[in-house]
Formats: sequence, C-alpha cells, structure tokens
Amino acid sequence: DMKVTQMPRYLIKRMGENVLLECGQDMSHETMYWYRQDPGLGLQLIYISYDVDSNSEGDIPKGYRVSRKKREHFSLILDSAKTNQTSVYFCASSFGTVNTEVFFGKGTRLTVV
Amino acid sequence: QQKVQQSPESLSVPEGGMASLNCTSSDRNFQYFWWYRQHSGEGPKALMSIFSDGDKKEGRFTAHLNKASLHVSLHIRDSQPSDSALYFCAASEPGTGGYKVVFGSGTRLLVSP
Repeated sequence: DMKVTQMPRYLIKRMGENVLLECGQDMSHETMYWYRQDPGLGLQLIYISYDVDSNSEGDIPKGYRVSRKKREHFSLILDSAKTNQTSVYFCASSFGTVNTEVFFGKGTRLTVV
Repeated sequence: QQKVQQSPESLSVPEGGMASLNCTSSDRNFQYFWWYRQHSGEGPKALMSIFSDGDKKEGRFTAHLNKASLHVSLHIRDSQPSDSALYFCAASEPGTGGYKVVFGSGTRLLVSP
C-alpha cells in the first residue's frame, strides 16, 4: 500500500515551544520533501532530502530544520515556534528520477498561539 | 519570480462545461510536467503527466505541452462538481543531490451544479 503518513494531523503550540512533525513512507523513495501551504501561496518547499543525511534547503528554510536518519522517515523541527509558522505542512516523497510522481501525506495543520 | 506560473488564479465553470488551466515555465531545464489536484482537507494527488510535445488524453482530462514555449495546459471537459479543487502544475529541475519538483501557485476550480 503506497502511503505517506504524517503525524500528528492537528497540533496547537504556544509561541516559543519546540515542534516536531513526523513523516513516514513505505515506498522506499529516496527523495522526501517538506512543504508548507498558506492561502494564495501554493506549496512552498522548506527542505528536501535526497537520502539519509543528505538534506538541502528549499525556498523557505529559515526557522526550520530537518532530520533523516532512515530512508523511510523524515522529520521537520521548529525550534521555538513563531506565530507566522502557523500553516498546513505537507510531507511528500518520490523516486529520485526526473520524471517522477510525488506522493503527499494528508498534512499537519499547525497553529502557533 | 516563480519558476512555474499558473493562470488563472481561480476559475468557475458550470457543470458540464469545459475548464482550461494554464501553466508557463521560465526555465528551459523543465522538460517533464505533471498536473496535481488537491481537494479540500487532503494532500495533492497526481492527476496526469505529460513529457512530450502535443496532447495527452486521459478520460475527461487532456493535457497539452509545447516545449518551445514552455507552456502546459490542462483541459477538463464535461466538468463535474467533484472536479472542484485546487490544481497545481509541477515540473522537475536538477537539485544539489538529484531532482526536485517545483510547484506553481495553483488554480482553484469551482464547478457549479
């Protein structure tokens, strides 16, 4: 069953707290992504991981860091969350080829108050 | 400037009508294009790919690619209310460790009964 699983689905955190978003995939995909989606801004790439411990910044990496210690898991960490990090976060995965399809999780709605 | 630009931002068509969505790339490295669809509360899902010049038809959906002008379009005939969603155009570009997928900002389609 090809699936990208995100946990948790909903999360409310206070400003200044640390946040951990977790993602898993069961397709042995090399490449994994973290995006955030805000109204009118589409999907903004935060980080991309090409394989274990091979992570690269996306378009909006400031305030975020990632960890990938196993091919099937990719974590997004917000150290000292800010209110402007309130958003919907999507994890995705794909094979590392140029014509590959990207598979998305269902998203995590994060609210920082 | 976004590397993948979509138009219009929103589109409203009556049930049974034709919806036409457009996508233009500013980077000639982009040669492989996908259309993704996102229903409310879900993650985006791949709708169809197009890699060669010309038309590609899958049921009610037809994609058209013109590599010379870097223009991709998606046409939905006999539109149904269930087609109401956010549609993304996406293309792959070389990254630091492989390929990464770049998404446009999306076109919101509303099909009214």
